[in-house]
Amino acid sequence: DTEVTQTPKHLVMGMTNKKSLKCEQHMGHRAMYWYKQKAKKPPELMFVYSYEKLSINESVPSRFSPECPNSSLLNLHLHALQPEDSALYLCASSRQGDNEKLFFGSGTQLSVL
Amino acid sequence: AQSVTQLDSQVPVFEEAPVELRCNYSSSVSVYLFWYVQYPNQGLQLLLKYLSGSTLVKGINGFEAEFNKSQTSFHLRKPSVHISDTAEYFCAVSAAPSGNTPLVFGKGTRLSVIA
Repeated sequence: DTEVTQTPKHLVMGMTNKKSLKCEQHMGHRAMYWYKQKAKKPPELMFVYSYEKLSINESVPSRFSPECPNSSLLNLHLHALQPEDSALYLCASSRQGDNEKLFFGSGTQLSVL
Repeated sequence: AQSVTQLDSQVPVFEEAPVELRCNYSSSVSVYLFWYVQYPNQGLQLLLKYLSGSTLVKGINGFEAEFNKSQTSFHLRKPSVHISDTAEYFCAVSAAPSGNTPLVFGKGTRLSVIA
């Protein structure tokens, strides 16, 4: 199994809603990542978890709250988002933070109304 | 720190013609280099990567790239494109070894293959 699975594939939410994005991998990878990608732009790194601990937070607003409950799962909790937060949210994983073997999920397309 | 420049934001090309997508990088240390492809509403798929050894790297879907250290380039080529190659292509760089340093992406090149 060499997949990173993200759910849901699409999400529409209002600015007062609370929702969560989920990411799962069963490759035994110990590093997991959240990226945000706006249309026609490259992915921007948001968070990195290494061995279930947050190792990088790229100054992301607190309305985005990551969680890594175990080595296979990564969540992104969303609350009080703004319309400009609408984007494709990509999850990725690697063995131990090594970019040589970085696997991306298909993403969650988020629309904030 | 590393940086990547993709010189062309859009490249239109006729079907079965050759294509080159250009990528230049900047780094004060040794690097790993990557090309990713992204189809509409999809994640990123690794096309090929240069880690060490031979400077000519072959990837999936008939693509290849050549690492040129003196010109700090890693251009992507395909001798004959298909309609299905229409997608966004991202060049990326990381320090070597990567040691938990994140990938740095270029701004992307939109390849449009015309029938």
